[in-house]
Amino acid sequence: DIQLTQSPSFLSASVGDRVTITCRASQGISSYLAWFQQQPGKAPKLLIFPASTLQGGVPSRFSGSGSGTEFTLTISSLQPEDFATYYCQQLNSYPGLTFGGGTKVEIK
Amino acid sequence: QVQLQESGPGLVKPSQTLSLTCTVSGGSISSGGYYWSWIRQHPGKGLEWIGYIYYSGTTYYNPSLKSRLTISVDTSKNQFSLNLNSVTAADTAVYYCARSLIVLGYCSSANCYVVFDTWGQGTMVTVSS
Repeated sequence: DIQLTQSPSFLSASVGDRVTITCRASQGISSYLAWFQQQPGKAPKLLIFPASTLQGGVPSRFSGSGSGTEFTLTISSLQPEDFATYYCQQLNSYPGLTFGGGTKVEIK
Repeated sequence: QVQLQESGPGLVKPSQTLSLTCTVSGGSISSGGYYWSWIRQHPGKGLEWIGYIYYSGTTYYNPSLKSRLTISVDTSKNQFSLNLNSVTAADTAVYYCARSLIVLGYCSSANCYVVFDTWGQGTMVTVSS
């Protein structure tokens, strides 16, 4: 399997802060990576796919970058509704679709 | 707009079979271009892909669950289903169904790029006697 390592696993930040989350793949995956946001008690929501393309309706303060083995999700100015857990996912089914361990963004 | 809804028992006894159904509305499961997936999330943990099915019946499973898993589709009802047998407490989780876009529009023998673009709300299943 392709392993995805997210860092940090937890971060504490304030409204208005710039936040960056990293996802590292155990082998090169080109740009075949997605980012999800999960609010407590809710299903994950697709934010970015492939690595740098925002999905419709996602605020422009979110951005994604990277290719190969290192990817980042950046929130340029954290808003109250952005406090959530974020997951990366690599898109190759073979031998199995995998997610990163998650990054929980909490209010400082 | 496509919506997905999971249904099934919230409590399953150890060694029995966990069975869930996902009903798709607002679009046809037979429209092509998508796999239909199951994903789970253990309490307080991350996400684990279980497997997916195409409307034609083609399946692909997580190798770690393959021996216990069956995913099926009923196009007449616009539903797909999950059966996981010989369950233990380790199968206690929130189970999600999700529409899975086939990124390149096709899969080769070497690669099949899929992204989960629409999710159901999830259903909690507890394995306990």
